[in-house]
Amino acid sequence: AAGVIQSPRHLIKEKRETATLKCYPIPRHDTVYWYQQGPGQDPQFLISFYEKMQSDKGSIPDRFSAQQFSDYHSELNMSSLELGDSALYFCASSLSSGGSSTDTQYFGPGTRLTVL
Amino acid sequence: AQSVTQLGSHVSVSEGALVLLRCNYSSSVPPYLFWYVQYPNQGLQLLLKYTSAATLVKGINGFEAEFKKSETSFHLTKPSAHMSDAAEYFCAVSAFTGGGNKLTFGTGTQLKVEL
Repeated sequence: AAGVIQSPRHLIKEKRETATLKCYPIPRHDTVYWYQQGPGQDPQFLISFYEKMQSDKGSIPDRFSAQQFSDYHSELNMSSLELGDSALYFCASSLSSGGSSTDTQYFGPGTRLTVL
Repeated sequence: AQSVTQLGSHVSVSEGALVLLRCNYSSSVPPYLFWYVQYPNQGLQLLLKYTSAATLVKGINGFEAEFKKSETSFHLTKPSAHMSDAAEYFCAVSAFTGGGNKLTFGTGTQLKVEL
């Protein structure tokens, strides 16, 4: 079965640079979520999109922005990178059943971002 | 607001022994609870989820969890541990906020399985 695809899998950037992370959800899934997992920490919700519209926002820095495109893939744009942005960034997708809390989120393998 | 607490950041069991990973939740509304497993350098894989249909939920790889409202718990168990179960396990609660369906995770429990 098709899974969530994230690219790149690894990314190394310098401080103050920009980075773009891409997420391709499972086919027919209409909702995308982004999470950030710092070293030794639990994943923290950043932002989500439903049908190409932002549906929820968590602890996402103002330096970050994201969008969902017409083909449902999503991109997380990160500017003015800081050392503390080094983390594993997960994308998850789900098929919304009217926004039910039971919607299962399927996670991608993550993008490991290292900021030097 | 919803939250989950995982007791024990590290659990060690012998191969063949019972696995018990603890999770307690806090929620102002009926919660929907999930257990995910994360193997090294991999993404999160859903083990099982509770959606109020049945209090005892069976998942993949022989894991199961029981929802106990009186104890606000959703502990994960497996009768007999296997070496391949060594991984990090996250309990999570789903919070539908009217626009999204974000997951709030616990701090994780690292399971070690010894011979």
